[in-house]
Amino acid sequence: ETGVTQSPTHLIKTRGQQVTLRCSSQSGHNTVSWYQQALGQGPQFIFQYYREEENGRGNFPPRFSGLQFPNYSSELNVNALELDDSALYLCAISRDPGANAEAFFGQGTRLTVV
Amino acid sequence: KQEVTQIPAALSVPEGENLVLNCSFTDSAIYNLQWFRQDPGKGLTSLLLIQSSQREQTSGRLNASLDKSSGRSTLYIAASQPGDSATYLCAVRGLTGGGNKLTFGTGTQLKVEL
Repeated sequence: ETGVTQSPTHLIKTRGQQVTLRCSSQSGHNTVSWYQQALGQGPQFIFQYYREEENGRGNFPPRFSGLQFPNYSSELNVNALELDDSALYLCAISRDPGANAEAFFGQGTRLTVV
Repeated sequence: KQEVTQIPAALSVPEGENLVLNCSFTDSAIYNLQWFRQDPGKGLTSLLLIQSSQREQTSGRLNASLDKSSGRSTLYIAASQPGDSATYLCAVRGLTGGGNKLTFGTGTQLKVEL
């Protein structure tokens, strides 16, 4: 079972606010990655966490930060929200950050910044 | 920098047709390629994972091939059904960063009509 649960499913925030998105799985997959998907685009890599440490980061500013907990669940935090942060945020789990790993995605959190 | 292109961007076919979706990538130094399905406003469902040493993978009516040297993959869907209507995304896991990220195309939006 590789079910990935993301919360909340939808969120509306005001520009300048801060937001925390959450991701969890019952499967024991120890690697979590976060992606941002703008409307009509493919997902873009934000960062990956493995053993509670950041293990690679895409082209996103420092106001995007994350955490991974001992039970492998994860949070994505975004500070000083901008209108362009409106997107679907996807969490993906995999068994180790290994190169052959298959990624399994959650249903996403739709963030709207007004 | 890895770039992934999917052609066509959109496709509409009558039920029962066999169809081919194309994916090309610019850097052949990859660990694997993964095909996903995405329903409107939803997360990604993994369809097939092809390791770089493999030529193809099959699951039910789906068959994916990989030609790493030419930077191409195709997803073949046999006997299409209205339930196959969705956006299909391909993603490659490159060698850079130890394979910690997927690079996605922008997808092919498929509509199968009765």
